[in-house]
Amino acid sequence: DTGVSQDPRHKITKRGQNVTFRCDPISEHNRLYWYRQTLGQGPEFLTYFQNEAQLEKSRLLSDRFSAERPKGSFSTLEIQRTEQGDSAMYLCASNSGTGGYNGQFFGPGTRLTVL
Amino acid sequence: DQQVKQNSPSLSVQEGRISILNCDYTNSMFDYFLWYKKYPAEGPTFLISISSIKDKNEDGRFTVFLNKSAKHLSLHIVPSQPGDSAVYFCAASAPGAGSYQLTFGKGTKLSVIP
Repeated sequence: DTGVSQDPRHKITKRGQNVTFRCDPISEHNRLYWYRQTLGQGPEFLTYFQNEAQLEKSRLLSDRFSAERPKGSFSTLEIQRTEQGDSAMYLCASNSGTGGYNGQFFGPGTRLTVL
Repeated sequence: DQQVKQNSPSLSVQEGRISILNCDYTNSMFDYFLWYKKYPAEGPTFLISISSIKDKNEDGRFTVFLNKSAKHLSLHIVPSQPGDSAVYFCAASAPGAGSYQLTFGKGTKLSVIP
C-alpha cells in the first residue's frame, strides 16, 4: 500500500504524559500537513512542512506541540504534558507541490484519548 | 469565525435519487474548493475539486458547482448509491505562503437508503 500511513492508530494516555505520533507520507510527496479533528468538527490545520522545513504553524499549535520532519521523509508530532482538551483525531496529509494545487491525501489518523 | 459552513449536519436520500450537499464560504481569497468523503475510522478521501475560475466540474457521478457571487458551492451525486453513505466535507484553500492549507466545514452526514 503506497498511501499515507500513521502510527499508532489509537493512543490512550493519562493527563500530563507526553505522546508522539508518526506519519509516513506518500514517498514522492514533498509537502506534509498535520490537522486535528474533534468530534462534530472538520479537520483543522496545525502545521505544514515543505521537505524538511516547517513553513507554517497554526495558532492552534501551542508550545506544548512540536513537529519535525527530519530529512524530509516521515514526520513526528509530539504533545508534551497532555491535557484532556488534546483528545482528538490527529490527521496527516501529503501532496506534491509543483505549482498550482492538487488535493491532499490523508492518512487514517491517530485517535488520542487523554484521561 | 467559521470561514467554510455546511449548514446541514445530515441528509437522507433514496437510492438512485440525486444527493445535493451544500457549502457556503465567507473568505473571498479562497481560490480552490474541494470535497472530501470520510468513512468512520478512516481519513478523509479526496473526491473532486474546482478552481475559482470555473463554475462546474464533473467526474463520473459527482459534479461540483461553484457560484462565486453567492460564495456557494454544491456537490451533486447522481445516482446516489448506498456506498455513498459517509460524511462529506467541503474544504477551501487560499494562496498564501504557498502551503495551500485547507479550511474545512463541519461536514454533512449523507445516508443513502436502499
